Amino acid sequence: GAGVSQSPSNKVTEKGKDVELRCDPISGHTALYWYRQSLGQGLEFLIYFQGNSAPDKSGLPSDRFSAERTGGSVSTLTIQRTQQEDSAVYLCASSLNGGWSYTEAFFGQGTRLTVV
Amino acid sequence: AQSVTQPDIHITVSEGASLELRCNYSYGATPYLFWYVQSPGQGLQLLLKYFSGDTLVQGIKGFEAEFKRSQSSFNLRKPSVHWSDAAEYFCAVATDKLIFGTGTRLQVFP
Repeated sequence: GAGVSQSPSNKVTEKGKDVELRCDPISGHTALYWYRQSLGQGLEFLIYFQGNSAPDKSGLPSDRFSAERTGGSVSTLTIQRTQQEDSAVYLCASSLNGGWSYTEAFFGQGTRLTVV
Repeated sequence: AQSVTQPDIHITVSEGASLELRCNYSYGATPYLFWYVQSPGQGLQLLLKYFSGDTLVQGIKGFEAEFKRSQSSFNLRKPSVHWSDAAEYFCAVATDKLIFGTGTRLQVFP
């Protein structure tokens, strides 16, 4: 596609439920990032996929958070047993290259998650 | 580990005034540096980037930034601010991954 696509754009869920957020990166981009942006906060790094390398999960806030990237393309961020503090905008970005051959990242519009 | 500091949470300027947004990074080598802008209800847009070479880089919308290795800084500047520049500005550094600062909210008064 022309840009990074995220779905859904908005998600309201009940506390304790699991949610899945999807990211379709730009075709051919090997690097994919997930960030969380809480109200009035910066972009908190969550996880980073680069090609076939093991993902950098150092930003995941708890074991309730996980992500996978299938076939080097689409990525899904899963939050289990959601809590109210998980309410935020979840942003996905992709770049042609990552790591030490870094190229600029392009961002999706984000998924606004509200846990009630 | 690398980090990015944006010391100014909120800045207010009058339209037509000059602007400087501060960014400092912590890393042992020269990283790739970026400024992004996030307008209300909009996604993140890249303003400019520094990879190597000339330390003064020009970006879109009349913005520029200067990389100063001795100060580990990459401050964003604009000589004359427009009301449409009101937004959140994020500095970012890329080494093995892309890390963002906490952002500076710019408010512009007419």
